[in-house]
Amino acid sequence: DQQVKQNSPSLSVQEGRISILNCDYTNSMFDYFLWYKKYPAEGPTFLISISSIKDKNEDGRFTVFLNKSAKHLSLHIVPSQPGDSAVYFCAASAVYNQGGKLIFGQGTELSVKP
Amino acid sequence: SQTIHQWPATLVQPVGSPLSLECTVEGTSNPNLYWYRQAAGRGLQLLFYSVGIGQISSEVPQNLSASRPQDRQFILSSKKLLLSDSGFYLCALSTGMTEAFFGQGTRLTVV
Repeated sequence: DQQVKQNSPSLSVQEGRISILNCDYTNSMFDYFLWYKKYPAEGPTFLISISSIKDKNEDGRFTVFLNKSAKHLSLHIVPSQPGDSAVYFCAASAVYNQGGKLIFGQGTELSVKP
Repeated sequence: SQTIHQWPATLVQPVGSPLSLECTVEGTSNPNLYWYRQAAGRGLQLLFYSVGIGQISSEVPQNLSASRPQDRQFILSSKKLLLSDSGFYLCALSTGMTEAFFGQGTRLTVV
C-alpha cells in the first residue's frame, strides 16, 4: 500500500524556468509534509516542509503547496538551476497519531538543462 | 547540532553471510531512529522504526532485524544475507515534530 506517491519518475526543465514536482498521498492522518533532495550515494537532505494547517510555505526559490482536500502537494523551484538536478522525495508523517515516522514517495529525478 | 554516523560506506558480502550495520547519533537525546533502504531505481522504503531503547517496529516482513541497545545506537542485522538484500541503507533520526536527518548511507552489495 503506497501511502505517498510520486507518479512522475523524471522531469526535465530548462535552466531559469519553473520546476514543479508533484506528490499525492492517501492517508488522511498525515499532518506534516516534507521535501528532500538526494544525490547518488548520499543521504537525502531536507529542503522544505509544511504542516497541514498551512497551504503554502516559501523558502527562497522553493515553495511547497498543500491541497488537503485533494491530498496533493507540490514543490515549485523557480528559477531552476543546473545544481538543482537531483532526485526529489516527498515524505509525510502523522505526528500526533503514528509517532511521526516518515513515509516517502518513490522520488522524481529532476534534470535542469543549461 | 545533531549528527549521524553510519558505517561502513560500502560493503560487499556473499550470500548467506551475516550482516551488521551500525548507526550512532550525537547531539540529541531520545531520538526516533529509522532504517530505510533504497533498492536500485526505487524509492526510500521504511524498514524499522524505534522510539526508544529496545522498542523496534518492523514495517515490512523481511530477512533483516534491528536492535537499539542504547539510546543513540541503532543496529541493522541479518543472520543470512540474500541477493535481494542488496541496496542503499540509510539511518535517520527525528525528534518528533521536525524533519528527519539522514546519515550518509551504506551501499550493500550481496554477491
